[in-house]
Amino acid sequence: GNSVTQMEGPVTLSEEAFLTINCTYTATGYPSLFWYVQYPGEGLQLLLKATKADDKGSNKGFEATYRKETTSFHLEKGSVQVSDSAVYFCALRVNDYKLSFGAGTTVTVRA
Amino acid sequence: DTEVTQTPKHLVMGMTNKKSLKCEQHMGHRAMYWYKQKAKKPPELMFVYSYEKLSINESVPSRFSPECPNSSLLNLHLHALQPEDSALYLCASSQGAGATNEKLFFGSGTQLSVL
Repeated sequence: GNSVTQMEGPVTLSEEAFLTINCTYTATGYPSLFWYVQYPGEGLQLLLKATKADDKGSNKGFEATYRKETTSFHLEKGSVQVSDSAVYFCALRVNDYKLSFGAGTTVTVRA
Repeated sequence: DTEVTQTPKHLVMGMTNKKSLKCEQHMGHRAMYWYKQKAKKPPELMFVYSYEKLSINESVPSRFSPECPNSSLLNLHLHALQPEDSALYLCASSQGAGATNEKLFFGSGTQLSVL
């Protein structure tokens, strides 16, 4: 089956620190990979995506590279801000309607 | 307009009540979804509508009844719910439903409490 494993949170950082959230996946077929972000009290928003091996998704200073050899899609940001405090979900989709989400990682950035 | 609008934002209901959640989008999307999200957990897919037809029902109990009156609207009718059904209910839409790289647009959700 298809599944996503994310690093356990919560993660607490100071402003301007480097953020990495690990994500690995198992999939039958060729998945597209996504990072969604959920701010407090809101729904999910697409942060970035990659659709094939070696693609790099980027948005708002966040980056993730689709690594087929290690079945990974780690999220990174070089300098976080308080406004980046949120829950981050790694997800994949193969050839059906279903997004498979990881468990989510709560990130808190302190001023 | 790139929004998915859900109403109400909060709902408290008793186990014998009947209520409905509503979702609306005007982006011309042809696929709409209901997800259930418990606190500190990822969203779980409940239903998918594609071109106003129910495509996926993820073995959801019959006390949840979806309806898609037209391509812009999606309802979730609730009846005889249990306290364990308390959760955030998220609606989402996408341009289509078949491509693996489709972006989903989510609403802010309805926080449901069943007493």
